[in-house]
Amino acid sequence: EIVMTQSPAILSVSPGERATLSCRASPSIGSNLAWYQQRPGRAPRLLIFGASTRATGIPARFSGSGSGTEFTLTISSLQSEDFAVYYCQQYDNWLTFGGGTKVEIK
Amino acid sequence: QLQLQESGPGLVKPSETLSLTCTVSGDSISSTFFYWLWIRQPPGQGLEWIGSISYTGSTSYNPSLKSRVTISVDTSRNQFSLRLNSVTAADAAVYYCARRYTSAWFLDSWGQGTLVTVSS
Repeated sequence: EIVMTQSPAILSVSPGERATLSCRASPSIGSNLAWYQQRPGRAPRLLIFGASTRATGIPARFSGSGSGTEFTLTISSLQSEDFAVYYCQQYDNWLTFGGGTKVEIK
Repeated sequence: QLQLQESGPGLVKPSETLSLTCTVSGDSISSTFFYWLWIRQPPGQGLEWIGSISYTGSTSYNPSLKSRVTISVDTSRNQFSLRLNSVTAADAAVYYCARRYTSAWFLDSWGQGTLVTVSS
């Protein structure tokens, strides 16, 4: 089983600042990684697939990078609607999610 | 525009069977490009893949749940369904249906989710 570990669990950021979220895979998953945003009471929304490709309609302030075992989601300038929980998900072997990072207002 | 909508009982008794249906609208479930999935999320916790199915009925299940799960498809109704038997309190969760590409297992569309409580 591939294990996905996200850090930090909680990230406190001021509006307009940059947020950097990390996701680690064990073992390596190539670029078979997706990121999702989940707002309270809502279903997850696909942000990034293939580690770095933005999904349709996702603003350019969201970017993904990494390959193998280390991945990053960067939100360049946080807007009010970006405060949410973010999950990474591997799809190299079946499908597993990380535990999530909550981005909260500082 | 694709929409997925979960339906089914919101309360299930321990040891009984949880049954949910996902109705797909705005596109045909009979596409070679997509598979259809169930995901669940216990309150305040993370996401867990339950299983997936193609329009032909080809299935794959999370090994941790495989012994209790059946996913089926009804192409005439554009629906797919989940059955989870012998439920316990640990099965209480928001259950989502979703779609993935045949060639890659990321989930591009989700239903709104339905909360299932397990209680006598």
